[in-house]
Amino acid sequence: KAGVTQTPRYLIKTRGQQVTLSCSPISGHRSVSWYQQTPGQGLQFLFEYFSETQRNKGNFPGRFSGRQFSNSRSEMNVSTLELGDSALYLCASSPGGSSYNEQFFGPGTRLTVL
Amino acid sequence: DQQVKQNSPSLSVQEGRISILNCDYTNSMFDYFLWYKKYPAEGPTFLISISSIKDKNEDGRFTVFLNKSAKHLSLHIVPSQPGDSAVYFCAASRTLNEKLTFGTGTRLTIIP
Repeated sequence: KAGVTQTPRYLIKTRGQQVTLSCSPISGHRSVSWYQQTPGQGLQFLFEYFSETQRNKGNFPGRFSGRQFSNSRSEMNVSTLELGDSALYLCASSPGGSSYNEQFFGPGTRLTVL
Repeated sequence: DQQVKQNSPSLSVQEGRISILNCDYTNSMFDYFLWYKKYPAEGPTFLISISSIKDKNEDGRFTVFLNKSAKHLSLHIVPSQPGDSAVYFCAASRTLNEKLTFGTGTRLTIIP
């Protein structure tokens, strides 16, 4: 079974631009979560989508948004990029329901904002 | 407010010895705890979990201990192997369907 894939793997943007990251979950998984990883901060939860609906949300500003499609693929969008948005963005999938916590992570997208 | 804390950013252990990684949490509502391992350029992979109804869970060389009164959990790796060198994150949630709160990670280096 193919793992979680994320595209692109690396991205360089400038302040004020917007960016869209993509995540394809493991086949059959209906839950997709997004995390931001920065040095010293660990993984910060952004949001989780389950069956095309946002089910959980972290404490990030409205510039961070996401969506999930009917095939469970998910996209994350960051508008008006700031230097502090430079991070590794990870997505994780799980079947959903009671096995939500055992999430399978993709390799991440490294975003650099200049 | 860091609700899950890993106070040791790094740890070095001799191959074959025991590695003990620690994690403290402040939210008494957390009921599920997990450990993830992360290699460079890869996403974290799930290692082992424990729910608050237990105080110990074993899986091969990995054992997680939970002390609810102290709000503390630890991961023991015995014996430590070079392939265990990675960053380890602990995570917690209030229910199985709620978001995970991660610690900041501990970089474990196994010395051959």
